[in-house]
Amino acid sequence: AQTVTQSQPEMSVQEAETVTLSCTYDTSENNYYLFWYKQPPSRQMILVIRQEAYKQQNATENRFSVNFQKAAKSFSLKISDSQLGDTAMYFCAFMKHGGAGGTSYGKLTFGQGTILTVHP
Amino acid sequence: DTGVSQDPRHKITKRGQNVTFRCDPISEHNRLYWYRQTLGQGPEFLTYFQNEAQLEKSRLLSDRFSAERPKGSFSTLEIQRTEQGDSAMYLCASSLDGGAGFSSGNTIYFGEGSWLTVV
Repeated sequence: AQTVTQSQPEMSVQEAETVTLSCTYDTSENNYYLFWYKQPPSRQMILVIRQEAYKQQNATENRFSVNFQKAAKSFSLKISDSQLGDTAMYFCAFMKHGGAGGTSYGKLTFGQGTILTVHP
Repeated sequence: DTGVSQDPRHKITKRGQNVTFRCDPISEHNRLYWYRQTLGQGPEFLTYFQNEAQLEKSRLLSDRFSAERPKGSFSTLEIQRTEQGDSAMYLCASSLDGGAGFSSGNTIYFGEGSWLTVV
């Protein structure tokens, strides 16, 4: 079974600054996907960024980038030029690829979440 | 709006009553998921469908829970004889993905959730 751990329950950052959220995971799978989802208060969960484990290059999406360390099983999210609208709960999530030798139907395993507050 | 929609958004019920939640996924999506989320925690997987087939159920899904997706479109999640421990947000999600047995990691889209409070 896979586990995802987010060791920072809460983080805060000043507007326009940079913040990094940590995530570690445990799996015996070799092919998988990692995601960061954002859940604003009383709003739906939306995908921020995605990383495929077989790709060495770190994913970037505008102000969001990841530091993916496969050997260390670490997947951190960096938010540059933080904006007030970035205030939300952030979840790290794991999905195995499945295929030969295993099955996967896209089930996500989530971490406990990190509450990020951006201060003006 | 063509996103994942859930109904009702909030439900307060007395212990022992039955409740049913409905989810309408994004229309062309073949996969549909149900998750449960309690306050301050990440969502936990409950079950998913590939078209109308229910392919996996979590151990969290006791006998009091039943989910259906009769025509491969909308889905319902029914909880019978509700208990206070069932109080949570029930999230529905959908995705479009390939064949059986593997995932392409395509984006899973979530609805806004249905909050259940059992009193």
